[in-house]
Amino acid sequence: DSGVTQTPKHLITATGQRVTLRCSPRSGDLSVYWYQQSLDQGLQFLIQYYNGEERAKGNILERFSAQQFPDLHSELNLSSLELGDSALYFCASSVAGAPSRETQYFGPGTRLLVL
Amino acid sequence: DAKTTQPNSMESNEEEPVHLPCNHSTISGTDYIHWYRQLPSQGPEYVIHGLTSNVNNRMASLAIAEDRKSSTLILHRATLRDAAVYYCILRDVRRGSGGGADGLTFGKGTHLIIQP
Repeated sequence: DSGVTQTPKHLITATGQRVTLRCSPRSGDLSVYWYQQSLDQGLQFLIQYYNGEERAKGNILERFSAQQFPDLHSELNLSSLELGDSALYFCASSVAGAPSRETQYFGPGTRLLVL
Repeated sequence: DAKTTQPNSMESNEEEPVHLPCNHSTISGTDYIHWYRQLPSQGPEYVIHGLTSNVNNRMASLAIAEDRKSSTLILHRATLRDAAVYYCILRDVRRGSGGGADGLTFGKGTHLIIQP
């Protein structure tokens, strides 16, 4: 158990819909990262938040957005869903100390299926 | 991030040592070498990292070549539970000072199969 929790575990929805994925980081971790894992693209970094502020962006679509709240939990919002958005979505957290020593702790993921 | 190259898959027997290679010929002096693994149906898990010297922890050892252009993750006695995809990732020490770095760049990794 990494200490990172994600809800829900599974999500089934239809094209065009909007969903919200939730992540609670390990106690004391200030950074939250979102990743997408699909069969064709592998594991891809989407976005990072640090202490409530957006820190870095990866391959995140404009239809996707995220935020980190004062209690440090984070939400990833996916809108206008397409079949290709079906994937595993992982959240990770880190203390956000020196990046060379940084270890990211991953949650169990949310499996999204868009029908 | 500098690029890494790993074999697509490797097979080993239970209770034997496993050596997982990673080539990173374009590594810079400020890159740390990190290893993560992903067990089936789970999120990635940190294994070990190092800069120049060999490193040991309870999970594995990391052997780094003298020129740092390659490294090897060593599992001393593989168990069935070690069957996973292993990722070798380079992290620049200059990234994101004070606020954490940006995301990890995962390649395809090595799919390790352990035979009983």
